[in-house]
Amino acid sequence: GENVEQHPSTLSVQEGDSAVIKCTYSDSASNYFPWYKQELGKRPQLIIDIRSNVGEKKDQRIAVTLNKTAKHFSLHITETQPEDSAVYFCAASPISGYSTLTFGKGTMLLVSP
Amino acid sequence: SAVISQKPSRDICQRGTSLTIQCQVDSQVTMMFWYRQQPGQSLTLIATANQGSEATYESGFVIDKFPISRPNLTFSTLTVSNMSPEDSSIYLCSVDLRQSYGYTFGSGTRLTVV
Repeated sequence: GENVEQHPSTLSVQEGDSAVIKCTYSDSASNYFPWYKQELGKRPQLIIDIRSNVGEKKDQRIAVTLNKTAKHFSLHITETQPEDSAVYFCAASPISGYSTLTFGKGTMLLVSP
Repeated sequence: SAVISQKPSRDICQRGTSLTIQCQVDSQVTMMFWYRQQPGQSLTLIATANQGSEATYESGFVIDKFPISRPNLTFSTLTVSNMSPEDSSIYLCSVDLRQSYGYTFGSGTRLTVV
């Protein structure tokens, strides 16, 4: 089955800095890669996703890059703000039909004012 | 995006008892998923519920412990049976709307077993 590794487990940055979280996956059949943000006591929320036919996707301050050859994808957050502080999870799944997501272990991002 | 209502939001239960968690979606969906999130941990898939057939369980999870119902395309329940303190966790239902919005999660049920 799929295995998703996520690094780092914790990340502390100053407000305004950039943050990068990296994930690797094992199953070459995976072609859908979402990122979730989970604030304390709340449900995971989808913030951005990418499919394998695209190498990069941006949405305002967040972007995701995908390298299918190397089987890794990354989340980039620019101009970080304290409200970006949360746990971020990457995930991977085949896209054919309805398939289950395999999650990474999460990254706790702390943005200090 | 879909609206997913999950209840109860939290409960404190005695060991040996069972708790049924309900998940209601405001649109018809083919698959519903049940996840467990232990404190400070990632999300682990318990089972996939497909309407009209038995749920598919992941390794480490069995039907006797986590029976699931899926009576129609908008509703599912997960029962945590014969609970022990190790079952204390957050349980989340999820639906796949990846055609437009990807996976969406319910608000979760925080279960404490004493």
